[in-house]
Amino acid sequence: GQQVMQIPQYQHVQEGEDFTTYCNSSTTLSNIQWYKQRPGGHPVFLIQLVKSGEVKKQKRLTFQFGEAKKNSSLHITATQTTDVGTYFCAGGDRGSTLGRLYFGRGTQLTVWP
Amino acid sequence: KAGVTQTPRYLIKTRGQQVTLSCSPISGHRSVSWYQQTPGQGLQFLFEYFSETQRNKGNFPGRFSGRQFSNSRSEMNVSTLELGDSALYLCASSLSISGRGEQFFGPGTRLTVL
Repeated sequence: GQQVMQIPQYQHVQEGEDFTTYCNSSTTLSNIQWYKQRPGGHPVFLIQLVKSGEVKKQKRLTFQFGEAKKNSSLHITATQTTDVGTYFCAGGDRGSTLGRLYFGRGTQLTVWP
Repeated sequence: KAGVTQTPRYLIKTRGQQVTLSCSPISGHRSVSWYQQTPGQGLQFLFEYFSETQRNKGNFPGRFSGRQFSNSRSEMNVSTLELGDSALYLCASSLSISGRGEQFFGPGTRLTVL
């Protein structure tokens, strides 16, 4: 069945270092979404990518969707303590009219000041 | 515009009991999805409702059930609670089916089973 794998599970960085989390699907996706969950909070939508090879930026965050629409990445430049949280990718099921989202397990980011 | 609300926010039950959780989506949203979140397990999909119909169901036992009302409010029920059901239960609403657009999550219901 459909699976979305996300690595790494944990990442500890010093403030100012870069951070990247990767998402891979076993099948072609219709779209990829990214969410951030702060400690004690709930997931909050960051962005959606739909097109093959799409790249979007939000300030220090860069999101990419692979050419084959099977993988995606989120890169944060010069991390800050406010970036702490768990980042989830979620892929939309292309092959089915049911169209549900499949979430990765998330990458928990810790930033040392 | 009010966000997604979930009630209750915290719940303590004992094994064998049953529980009902409620989710009120953002006004105008017709899709409601439910997720179970436990440490290290990420977001486990329970089910999705759209216009009162269950569209998708995750790999959870039949003890977990849900429904959606005509006003899009949704409830999920867990019968015969087990210790392993202790988790944060999140609902999310969206305008369209979950795989097509942004999902708005509620604050969750923290369920503890003793």
